[in-house]
Amino acid sequence: ETGVTQSPTHLIKTRGQQVTLRCSSQSGHNTVSWYQQALGQGPQFIFQYYREEENGRGNFPPRFSGLQFPNYSSELNVNALELDDSALYLCASSLGRGVNEQFFGPGTRLTVL
Amino acid sequence: LAKTTQPISMDSYEGQEVNITCSHNNIATNDYITWYQQFPSQGPRFIIQGYKTKVTNEVASLFIPADRKSSTLSLPRVSLSDTAVYYCLVGGGGRDDKIIFGKGTRLHILP
Repeated sequence: ETGVTQSPTHLIKTRGQQVTLRCSSQSGHNTVSWYQQALGQGPQFIFQYYREEENGRGNFPPRFSGLQFPNYSSELNVNALELDDSALYLCASSLGRGVNEQFFGPGTRLTVL
Repeated sequence: LAKTTQPISMDSYEGQEVNITCSHNNIATNDYITWYQQFPSQGPRFIIQGYKTKVTNEVASLFIPADRKSSTLSLPRVSLSDTAVYYCLVGGGGRDDKIIFGKGTRLHILP
């Protein structure tokens, strides 16, 4: 059984560009959640997808969007990147929505210049 | 979703029991209490979850009083490798639920 994987590990973009981050869920998990974690802060909830539908969203603007695919892998897309978007982006998979035990990936470190 | 309050940091020594308390005065009836551990440059790792009274697993215990307005994570006989940030989350398992991690407690274990 493989764990949660994310790609890429690191990414550097410039302000105004668009980025797509990818997450492969743990086998059998039907829910994926995405978080943004700035240095020294706790993870901030972006949104959660349950069986390919959005199941909750945090206080992030619409330029943060996501997709969950039938195989339960997921993408996080961020348009019109801003300097403050520089952070570690974490995805977590779980069985069932809400606060059920989540298994986190190692994260993607995004730097916006 | 209930907001949580935890101590910013704590120090303890190897072999001691560590208790980290989380306040959640606005907890809702269907909310669960969940704790995660995070090491630097890694994603958080689930420790324990409970609804009321006491829950125990192989790594920790979670104590929840009757009014559920607070909870205490208890780590028995800590070691240096328990140095990490610990997050308390409160929320339900339903639709359109937001998951709020808060600032966490930085636990530093000394030899």
